[in-house]
Amino acid sequence: SQTIHQWPATLVQPVGSPLSLECTVEGTSNPNLYWYRQAAGRGLQLLFYSVGIGQISSEVPQNLSASRPQDRQFILSSKKLLLSDSGFYLCAWSVLQDTQYFGPGTRLTVL
Amino acid sequence: QQQVKQSPQSLIVQKGGISIINCAYENTAFDYFPWYQQFPGKGPALLIAIRPDVSEKKEGRFTISFNKSAKQFSLHIMDSQPGDSATYFCAASMAGGFKTIFGAGTRLFVKA
Repeated sequence: SQTIHQWPATLVQPVGSPLSLECTVEGTSNPNLYWYRQAAGRGLQLLFYSVGIGQISSEVPQNLSASRPQDRQFILSSKKLLLSDSGFYLCAWSVLQDTQYFGPGTRLTVL
Repeated sequence: QQQVKQSPQSLIVQKGGISIINCAYENTAFDYFPWYQQFPGKGPALLIAIRPDVSEKKEGRFTISFNKSAKQFSLHIMDSQPGDSATYFCAASMAGGFKTIFGAGTRLFVKA
């Protein structure tokens, strides 16, 4: 069966510090991978998606970046965090245009 | 045209009542309409989904009604329970596309 992992589960970082969030998927090959951000009590904002290794599409221009170094690994990064980067970050995978399967999320607080 | 509009934003229902959440879309190329359920601090999870070749799909207490001509679909939760209290997202996607378009979400609270 397929499993999606995200870490860390929670993170508190100072403004201006770097960020690296990791997502890995098990049990499927060549998945589409997604990064979403969810502000408190709000909806899902698509940040990046990837349809293959090294292929990244950005939905929201900002100080975040994404990389996909391996088929089932998706990384979200920032060189310098802003207060507005706080939120709940969710990784998801899908096959074709079907159901999206979400990870457990990372709660990021930027102070 | 890529939006999915969801209402209401929040909903309070008595235990045993019916919860109804509505969504509308514009893009007739959408051909897959899932609903996701999200509990606080967790990632969303697929609840039920429908394709436009049927007008209704039922799984237990959860039913999707789909009106292709009106470009609307809704989630009905029968016999709502306190454990159903969560945020519900409708969504839409299309064959050949890579993105799922999500509604803004509905926070449901079922009073015991």
